[in-house]
Amino acid sequence: AQSVSQHNHHVILSEAASLELGCNYSYGGTVNLFWYVQYPGQHLQLLLKYFSGDPLVKGIKGFEAEFIKSKFSFNLRKPSVQWSDTAEYFCAVNARTGGFKTIFGAGTRLFVKA
Amino acid sequence: NAGVTQTPKFQVLKTGQSMTLQCAQDMNHNSMYWYRQDPGMGLRLIYYSASEGTTDKGEVPNGYNVSRLNKREFSLRLESAAPSQTSVYFCASSEEVRHRVNEQFFGPGTRLTVL
Repeated sequence: AQSVSQHNHHVILSEAASLELGCNYSYGGTVNLFWYVQYPGQHLQLLLKYFSGDPLVKGIKGFEAEFIKSKFSFNLRKPSVQWSDTAEYFCAVNARTGGFKTIFGAGTRLFVKA
Repeated sequence: NAGVTQTPKFQVLKTGQSMTLQCAQDMNHNSMYWYRQDPGMGLRLIYYSASEGTTDKGEVPNGYNVSRLNKREFSLRLESAAPSQTSVYFCASSEEVRHRVNEQFFGPGTRLTVL
């Protein structure tokens, strides 16, 4: 069965610090990869996605993620976080042969100190 | 466009009571989903509907039923609520592109407490 692991459940950073959130998945076939963000009191929304092509993808608000196939990883990065990045971040994976089932990681709560 | 809407926003039930969570989307998406979100467990898929008239079980379907009423609406029913069903429920929709699951659009969630 597919699974998605997010290594850090809680991260606390100061403004301007760099961010890297880890995500590993277990499926060996072709995958579609997503990062979603949930700001306090708001809907989940898409940060970025990877289907194919350049393994370094850029999303909204200065976020980027790198797909490393050999490591089954899709880590999220941001060079300099802001207080407004305080949110919960979810990695999600859809295996193309898995139909419409997308598996989400447990989430990482990020708190950025002003 | 409203996107994905859910009703109610909050609900408290007693064990054994039934209720239906409503979801509607106005983006003409084929696929719709119901998830539950529990602390430390991320989102888990309860049921999904790849197209009007079809529904399939997800990871945690026990205790739930769904109805894809038409292309816009996808409801989730709890026939006999249990405290283990206390959770936040999210509805989502998406449009597939060349058989790939694309971005999902989420509703605001329903916070359900079962006493």
